[in-house]
Amino acid sequence: GAVVSQHPSWVICKSGTSVKIECRSLDFQATTMFWYRQFPKQSLMLMATSNEGSKATYEQGVEKDKFLINHASLTLSTLTVTSAHPEDSSFYICSATRPGTGYGETQYFGPGTRLLVL
Amino acid sequence: QKEVEQDPGPLSVPEGAIVSLNCTYSNSAFQYFMWYRQYSRKGPELLMYTYSSGNKEDGRFTAQVDKSSKYISLFIRDSQPSDSATYLCAMSLWNFNKFYFGSGTKLNVKP
Repeated sequence: GAVVSQHPSWVICKSGTSVKIECRSLDFQATTMFWYRQFPKQSLMLMATSNEGSKATYEQGVEKDKFLINHASLTLSTLTVTSAHPEDSSFYICSATRPGTGYGETQYFGPGTRLLVL
Repeated sequence: QKEVEQDPGPLSVPEGAIVSLNCTYSNSAFQYFMWYRQYSRKGPELLMYTYSSGNKEDGRFTAQVDKSSKYISLFIRDSQPSDSATYLCAMSLWNFNKFYFGSGTKLNVKP
């Protein structure tokens, strides 16, 4: 199966600092990557869709200036939480679509990054 | 009304039982249907993927799609304690530009 990694797996930071989370597709080139946020015992909330070489498309209610997304290559997308505050504490998960599999472009998820802002 | 509805559970069954997990949806344009398994504090793992209506079997797992009723199911035969997780249904339009997830059903298989 397709492998997607995330780094770091968890991070604790002080309020006001910025945190960068990396998402990599390890064994395939991902045309599109997605960033989700998940609160405890809740489903995935799509934050933004990222295509390589173009600006990310943000979902309604997601602050573009706070959650900066860069999709620099076909295997790497980054999410930067700027000036993080305690309410940004959450589980952030990325996914990537793998084209050309013959089964459509389903999403493969990374292991997630747990962010705690003190 | 949510695009995808899924009973959050929790669903508790004895080991060896047949488990039925279900989702309903409102958008008749959905064409691709997925089931993901998510263990606590982990990312979702793709279990099954189906296109349009019909059944698909993979080992102990069977995915069913009934587009006329806008209803999808995941059956787990001979359930094991290791199957204890949250199961998320997901669906998309033909272009895959966005996935619509259910809220997830928490399953607990007791030894």
